[in-house]
Amino acid sequence: QQQVKQSPQSLIVQKGGISIINCAYENTAFDYFPWYQQFPGKGPALLIAIRPDVSEKKEGRFTISFNKSAKQFSLHIMDSQPGDSATYFCAASTYSGGSNYKLTFGKGTLLTVNP
Amino acid sequence: GAVVSQHPSWVICKSGTSVKIECRSLDFQATTMFWYRQFPKQSLMLMATSNEGSKATYEQGVEKDKFLINHASLTLSTLTVTSAHPEDSSFYICSARSRTSGKYEQYFGPGTRLTVT
Repeated sequence: QQQVKQSPQSLIVQKGGISIINCAYENTAFDYFPWYQQFPGKGPALLIAIRPDVSEKKEGRFTISFNKSAKQFSLHIMDSQPGDSATYFCAASTYSGGSNYKLTFGKGTLLTVNP
Repeated sequence: GAVVSQHPSWVICKSGTSVKIECRSLDFQATTMFWYRQFPKQSLMLMATSNEGSKATYEQGVEKDKFLINHASLTLSTLTVTSAHPEDSSFYICSARSRTSGKYEQYFGPGTRLTVT
């Protein structure tokens, strides 16, 4: 089934805290797992992504943890800042024919970082 | 690099009319473009995938006669919403994959807000 489940729906964190967003999937054909950040009225922007052969990837304050056996992955935002306040989407990619790979998105998490 | 633009950013049209949304890759050649729809506080739902010079592939449940997609060049794709109705009001976002990017990477446009009155 082409589905990615994301939680929580919303998250409030104090400045300097750690924000954690979780996603789970069922389709083992997914082979690329990106996280996107979206500000109101804007398109999503790629934050960080991971392949299933890696258990963790870190870029600056953003870390993806990936558990292939549990079919779960999570985004950790260290030292969260008010500027991080946005909606975060996890996604998973699968081959869709020809040379195409398509993304299936989670439902999003609205992160609010209080100053 | 890898900038995708959309035009217009916001459009209001009357019920029954058609509206065209453009998606351009500004600094790369987009071999594949994707069109998504996003309702308020909802996720992005893929509507269709188009390859340059080919007919678009629509996702299940998306009316191809209502949402016309043309990918006539390597830098331009258009989405035309025909005979628009209020329920078509949504945020439409395109993304593009370049010839030289990884097969998974998509660069997203800023979106177009469509309101049908």
